[in-house]
This record gives sequence, structure tokens and C-alpha cells, in this order.
Amino acid sequence: DMKVTQMPRYLIKRMGENVLLECGQDMSHETMYWYRQDPGLGLQLIYISYDVDSNSEGDIPKGYRVSRKKREHFSLILDSAKTNQTSVYFCASSSGPFQDTQYFGPGTRLLVL
Amino acid sequence: TQTVSQSDAHVTVFEGDSVELRCNYSYGGSIYLSWYIQHHGRGLQFLLKYYSGNPVVQGVNGFEAEFSKSDSSFHLRKASVHWSDSAVYFCAVSAGSYGNEKITFGAGTKLTIKP
Repeated sequence: DMKVTQMPRYLIKRMGENVLLECGQDMSHETMYWYRQDPGLGLQLIYISYDVDSNSEGDIPKGYRVSRKKREHFSLILDSAKTNQTSVYFCASSSGPFQDTQYFGPGTRLLVL
Repeated sequence: TQTVSQSDAHVTVFEGDSVELRCNYSYGGSIYLSWYIQHHGRGLQFLLKYYSGNPVVQGVNGFEAEFSKSDSSFHLRKASVHWSDSAVYFCAVSAGSYGNEKITFGAGTKLTIKP
């Protein structure tokens, strides 16, 4: 069963706190992505990972960092969260580079107060 | 710079009607075009994609899309919608090369199906 999971699903943090969003996939996909979704803006790419320890910035990497130590896990870290990072965050994976079909997780709704 | 425009933020039709959701893009090189669907509170799900060949591509659940280079468009169509098609639809454009990819999503079109 092809699946992308995200934890937690909902998170409330105070400004300045650190945030860790986790993503897992059971398809042995090489490529994984982190996006954020804001109303009226569609999805914006934060980071791409091509495999373990092989990460590349997307369109809006500022304020975020990622970690991929195992192929099946990809983490998004917000060091000292800001209120403008309140958003819904989606993780996705694909078997190859971007032209392959992406499989999305259910999303994490983050509120930074 | 590549851009994706979905001109209709909201589309409402009756069940059984046909529908077309519009997507226009701007980019000068080779691109991949995709459509995704997002039901309320869920992640995105792949519908279909185009890179080359037949400009009309078939997707899941009766959806199809037609690529037009002259119009820079990739419109999504369905001949007869079902209530379960109510969702937000995103058009996406991918370009570049391995390690230097650019992925751009449109703002989405919310499709509402009336009974």
C-alpha cells in the first residue's frame, strides 16, 4: 500500500520555538519534497531531497532546513518559528525526479502564535 | 521564470454537466504539465500529466486534459461530473534538470458540484 505519512497532523507553537515536522514513505522513493500551502497561493516548494543527505533548496527555503538520514524519512525543521510560518505543510515523494508522479501526505497544519 | 495561471478561482456546475478547468502557463523550454486534485482536508492526488506526444491525455476518473503549445494552455475536462468530483484542482508545471528543478503550482480552482 503506497503511503506518505506526516506527523504531527496539527501543531501549535509559540514564536521563537523550534518545530520539527516528520514525513515518511513506504515506497522506497528516492525523491522527497516539502511544500507549504497558503490560501490563494497554491503550493510553494521549500526543499527537495534526491536521496539521503542530498538536499536542494526550493523556491522559499529561508527560515527552514531539512534532514534526510534514511531514504524513507524526510524532516522539516523550523529553528525559531515565526508567525508568518503559520501554514499547512505537505510532504511528497516520487520514484524519480520531478517529472514523476508525486505522492502527497495528508499535511500538517502549523499555527505559530 | 515559469508561471502558472488558473483563471477561475471557483467553478460551480450541476452533477452530470461537463466542466473545463483552465490552466495557462509561461515558460520557454521543455516542461512537464500535471493536474492534481485535493479533497477538503486531504493531500493532493495525481490526476494526469503530459510531456510529449498526443496532446490529449487521459487521467483517472474520466478526466482528460489537452495541451496547446500555441495557447500555452493545459485545460482539464470532464464530460459528466459526479458529486465526488467536488474538490480543489491544481495545475502544475515542472521544468529544469536533475538538481536544478523548478516546480510551480497554480493557485487552484475550487470545483463545486450541485445536486
